[in-house]
Amino acid sequence: EPEVTQTPSHQVTQMGQEVILRCVPISNHLYFYWYRQILGQKVEFLVSFYNNEISEKSEIFDDQFSVERPDGSNFTLKIRSTKLEDSAMYFCASSEDLMNYGYTFGSGTRLTVV
Amino acid sequence: ELKVEQNPLFLSMQEGKNYTIYCNYSTTSDRLYWYRQDPGKSLESLFVLLSNGAVKQEGRLMASLDTKARLSTLHITAAVHDLSATYFCAVDMGIQGAQKLVFGQGTRLTINP
Repeated sequence: EPEVTQTPSHQVTQMGQEVILRCVPISNHLYFYWYRQILGQKVEFLVSFYNNEISEKSEIFDDQFSVERPDGSNFTLKIRSTKLEDSAMYFCASSEDLMNYGYTFGSGTRLTVV
Repeated sequence: ELKVEQNPLFLSMQEGKNYTIYCNYSTTSDRLYWYRQDPGKSLESLFVLLSNGAVKQEGRLMASLDTKARLSTLHITAAVHDLSATYFCAVDMGIQGAQKLVFGQGTRLTINP
């Protein structure tokens, strides 16, 4: 079964550093998303991406965050200057056709900011 | 703003018993999803409910959607230990190309032998 692949699985970074989280969505999917989950809490929407541009973003997705699809396969989330409160599990998701199917989530990247 | 509320948030039950998790949401949507999450793991899709009255079953789990009541239920029949996990419902909002999922708080289910 096709999978959404995320790397790295765990990243530790110092406060103020930039991080890039990488995702390879399922190849025929058109819609891409980032969600995050702070430990023990619910999953929160960050951003959706379609047709090479952001289609919606949440209040969490401020100027410190950016997304990019640099080639035909990768989808990245960049955090420019990490804060302690950015520590969370970040999930990438993709979808093909929301009228008939759902979303496929990746295995996640655990980001720890120290 | 859409609110999605699950109850109960914590559920401890004995093997062999039946129970129901409820998911209420505050605005109109006809697409709702249930996910399972094991500790430290990703979200595993359980059910995709795409219309009013939708009912889906897989093994000991059955999910239903009542869009008029803005309510979905996840029913567990004759629970077994392997079903211990956190279960999330998520409501799909937005328009084509700009959707987002709004998740409930999750229900942490523990099934005791």
